Amino acid sequence: NAGVTQTPKFRVLKTGQSMTLLCAQDMNHEYMYWYRQDPGMGLRLIHYSVGEGTTAKGEVPDGYNVSRLKKQNFLLGLESAAPSQTSVYFCASSYSVAGTEAFFGQGTRLTVV
Amino acid sequence: DAKTTQPNSMESNEEEPVHLPCNHSTISGTDYIHWYRQLPSQGPEYVIHGLTSNVNNRMASLAIAEDRKSSTLILHRATLRDAAVYYCILRTAQGGSEKLVFGKGTKLTVNP
Repeated sequence: NAGVTQTPKFRVLKTGQSMTLLCAQDMNHEYMYWYRQDPGMGLRLIHYSVGEGTTAKGEVPDGYNVSRLKKQNFLLGLESAAPSQTSVYFCASSYSVAGTEAFFGQGTRLTVV
Repeated sequence: DAKTTQPNSMESNEEEPVHLPCNHSTISGTDYIHWYRQLPSQGPEYVIHGLTSNVNNRMASLAIAEDRKSSTLILHRATLRDAAVYYCILRTAQGGSEKLVFGKGTKLTVNP
């Protein structure tokens, strides 16, 4: 049981380049989330999805786009990377029940130079 | 969304109990109290959750105040591996529990 897998684990981008981060879960979870975490800070919600084909904005959505074409995958896109997007990105998934736990990936460390 | 308030940091000695407090004075009747922790350089991991009654699992205990406006995560015997940032969050069962919003958490330091 792989849980939540994030790809890639590390990436360095030049300003203005684009990239897509992939989050895959094998637990048939309805909900999926993307967070960013800056040094010494807590997690901030970027976007989330409550099901296949649906996405919603979180606390800090600007500069990011997401897609959930398949239930098991949640993609986070950066169309034109900026140094301010240098961060560690975490993906999470959970069932659609408040009394259940969320599972997190191990993170993607992104540096934009 | 209902908010939670936690101390920025706490310190403990190894093999002693640790009580991590969380205030959630605006909690609604359908909000579950969840605790997660994040070890250095890792993604957050689930610790425990509860609704009204105290809960125990292999990792910790959760004590919920009678009015539900506060809760305490209890680590019965802290080890060095328990040094982490602990997050207390609320998940609502009303109108969907889709949002999972984290605060800044409590950084726990465990001294040998």
